Amino acid sequence: GAGVSQSPSNKVTEKGKDVELRCDPISGHTALYWYRQSLGQGLEFLIYFQGNSAPDKSGLPSDRFSAERTGGSVSTLTIQRTQQEDSAVYLCASTGGAYETQYFGPGTRLLVL
Amino acid sequence: DQQVKQNSPSLSVQEGRISILNCDYTNSMFDYFLWYKKYPAEGPTFLISISSIKDKNEDGRFTVFLNKSAKHLSLHIVPSQPGDSAVYFCAASGRDNAGNMLTFGGGTRLMVKP
Repeated sequence: GAGVSQSPSNKVTEKGKDVELRCDPISGHTALYWYRQSLGQGLEFLIYFQGNSAPDKSGLPSDRFSAERTGGSVSTLTIQRTQQEDSAVYLCASTGGAYETQYFGPGTRLLVL
Repeated sequence: DQQVKQNSPSLSVQEGRISILNCDYTNSMFDYFLWYKKYPAEGPTFLISISSIKDKNEDGRFTVFLNKSAKHLSLHIVPSQPGDSAVYFCAASGRDNAGNMLTFGGGTRLMVKP
């Protein structure tokens, strides 16, 4: 079927506002990951969902970041009270299970002014 | 502390020649390594991977070599084509990581000149 999709593709917001980023994984994929890529940097792991298990939040940079995955499919990453250092490309990936190839979406480019 | 490093931020190669992209890692628990290719405004695309039980994996023009003792891997592209121009990321995951989340290097921008 279709690949991983993300929305919006671009988001400009003002410092202090909340933003929500959406990820639709590949149908049937049980594992979902969020990463972010800051300017000139590699990808940084944020959070991981596997089936109905509790998510691994070890990569979230602060408590302003949270994510949920409803019905084992779509995921939403929420950033509260955005800061300028949150500006980055937020990438979502999904896979059929651990130790399988991760397929990435096109990302959401977030700019916090 | 970067566990995966790509020390060359950019590489320029003539079309038809070999491109060699390098990657070093520090975590001895890493046992699976991948290369992703990224075009502007797109997500990373999986290219090739290698398990730590192997030292070489080949797929068409792409070959990945793993030197476990040196904690070093490299991606060879031969012959290089202009369409290979992109940013290449090395990534690793390991046994101490139940979720298989990937640790990425900073990327190398490859430019293949016609």
